[in-house]
Amino acid sequence: GENVEQHPSTLSVQEGDSAVIKCTYSDSASNYFPWYKQELGKRPQLIIDIRSNVGEKKDQRIAVTLNKTAKHFSLHITETQPEDSAVYFCAAPSAAGNKLTFGGGTRVLVKP
Amino acid sequence: KAGVTQTPRYLIKTRGQQVTLSCSPISGHRSVSWYQQTPGQGLQFLFEYFSETQRNKGNFPGRFSGRQFSNSRSEMNVSTLELGDSALYLCASSSLAGTTYEQYFGPGTRLTVT
Repeated sequence: GENVEQHPSTLSVQEGDSAVIKCTYSDSASNYFPWYKQELGKRPQLIIDIRSNVGEKKDQRIAVTLNKTAKHFSLHITETQPEDSAVYFCAAPSAAGNKLTFGGGTRVLVKP
Repeated sequence: KAGVTQTPRYLIKTRGQQVTLSCSPISGHRSVSWYQQTPGQGLQFLFEYFSETQRNKGNFPGRFSGRQFSNSRSEMNVSTLELGDSALYLCASSSLAGTTYEQYFGPGTRLTVT
């Protein structure tokens, strides 16, 4: 089955700096890679995703890159703000259907 | 559209009891997946239902079961509760059939087993 590794587990950045979170996956057939943000006490929220037919996708201050050859994808947050503080999860699908395997999560702290 | 809803939001049960959790997906979504979230194990997939059929299953014991109704609402049941079942149970709904697509989570049910 799919195995997803996520690094780092914690990340502390100064407000205005960039944050990068990296994930690797094992199943070369995986074709969809979502990122979720979970604030304390709240549900995971889908913030961006990328499909295997593109290498990069941007949405305002966040971007995701995908390297299918190396089987890794990354989340980039630029000009971080205190409201970016949360736990971020990457995921990849296993087999057909909607079975997502999640990375272990990255706790991001943006210091004002 | 209303988001994914889950009931109840909080639940306290005793070891050995059973529990049923409910999930109502976004209107029009036919796929419902269930996940268990714990501090130690993270987010782990339990099972997925589509059109009242279980389509995928994670590595959980048979005490964990689920079903989906014709209106796409789903329930999961945990029998013979153990302390280790204490967790946040999240369901997620998805619109497209036969392919992996965006999943939207409900607020979760916080289960505490004492």
